[in-house]
Amino acid sequence: QSALTQPASVSGSPGQSITISCTGTNIDFGGYTYVSWYQQHPGKAPKLMIFDVSNRPSGVSNRFSGSKSGNTASLTISGLQADDEADYYCGSYTSGSTVFGTGTKVTVL
Amino acid sequence: QITLKESGPTLVKPTQTLTLTCTFSGFSLSTTGVTVGWIRQPPGKALEWLALIYWDGDKRYSPSLESRLTITKDTSKNQVVLTMTNMDPVDTATYYCAHSDSIVDYAQDYWGQGTLVTVSS
Repeated sequence: QSALTQPASVSGSPGQSITISCTGTNIDFGGYTYVSWYQQHPGKAPKLMIFDVSNRPSGVSNRFSGSKSGNTASLTISGLQADDEADYYCGSYTSGSTVFGTGTKVTVL
Repeated sequence: QITLKESGPTLVKPTQTLTLTCTFSGFSLSTTGVTVGWIRQPPGKALEWLALIYWDGDKRYSPSLESRLTITKDTSKNQVVLTMTNMDPVDTATYYCAHSDSIVDYAQDYWGQGTLVTVSS
């Protein structure tokens, strides 16, 4: 399985909304496939932000939302804040195997 | 409270075998639906999933690295061990272990702090 494709960078001003895409194949996103999103600040371990396409773990802000259409999953961050500046990775779990995306650096202008 | 911590050598030589241990607390790897996996991240690069072990002992490996990887568990010690053979400088990375379970559809919801492994002669 190849890595899922994400844009290298996305930027926005405080208060704005941004969307990060994650594109895979039918193998990655078809059938019983679970999409997740992770936030990673420099020097830190990744943090789960979204699981199963659109579900937020307890404690994650509702400013983060996920969706999927066909072979593309998306993470939207609304009301952008300075602390949202980080790297974001999508992940796809299917048949016991996980593949991650190429990663997107989010910059808050 | 779920915690995980990776341990192992920080420096290995090319062709050597790497052995990493993940010691965890706050959950049992004998509970139905629970898994522990390994993920690595070369400096400045993306995450790469390596391997996963299920509560029932079932195992899954990255297809591209399967021939070099072995994952095992010791439920009584709350540990999961990953071995990677024939190490190469391109394997230099931070190695993470992570918890997942069926509640979060096997997304990695708790991560260790990671351990940096450098491969160099």
